[in-house]
Amino acid sequence: DGGITQSPKYLFRKEGQNVTLSCEQNLNHDAMYWYRQDPGQGLRLIYYSQIVNDFQKGDIAEGYSVSREKKESFPLTVTSAQKNPTAFYLCASSGSRDRAIAKNIQYFGAGTRLSVL
Amino acid sequence: SQQGEEDPQALSIQEGENATMNCSYKTSINNLQWYRQNSGRGLVHLILIRSNEREKHSGRLRVTLDTSKKSSSLLITASRAADTASYFCATLFNNAGNMLTFGGGTRLMVKP
Repeated sequence: DGGITQSPKYLFRKEGQNVTLSCEQNLNHDAMYWYRQDPGQGLRLIYYSQIVNDFQKGDIAEGYSVSREKKESFPLTVTSAQKNPTAFYLCASSGSRDRAIAKNIQYFGAGTRLSVL
Repeated sequence: SQQGEEDPQALSIQEGENATMNCSYKTSINNLQWYRQNSGRGLVHLILIRSNEREKHSGRLRVTLDTSKKSSSLLITASRAADTASYFCATLFNNAGNMLTFGGGTRLMVKP
């Protein structure tokens, strides 16, 4: 988990509420990612960002939003439009683009577990 | 989308035994990676094998890649209770930029 900090570890959302999950990295990585993991399942990509001020939708972006104003930070907002937000959310980053192999290896935070009240 | 599929979904073995888990994928890849996830934690990168490599070793881990069959296997030798975790393969498809596609994982339990 070193180098990527996710907070909070646990989060509870009330119906109709937007909540924001924090992800900060000090690895000087260009790319950052958000994944959703449901119990016993693999990872599904929500959003990713290859560079500051740019991001793209992943496979399950509906009901989520992101921003990438700083290289170190990639917060994820779970909006009220996401009707089934209960899941484990993982943030990851990968290396600078001039290292051909290293850029593909992803480093993960410890995750945020989101539940609905 | 999850194009990597792993089997078995779950595996239970005794300490000291070897554990083998497999990953299959559908389209040509640049490289394939294996990650480990302890319960309730983030993933940790274990090993990467490029599409032009057939086998790679790292400590007690051995990874093979058969691009003709579009499959890979991860072997953990002389398993320990501390190896209990979920193991995921992740593929980097050609023309996918930095995007990895993760499989559904194999949940390994090593009994002491």
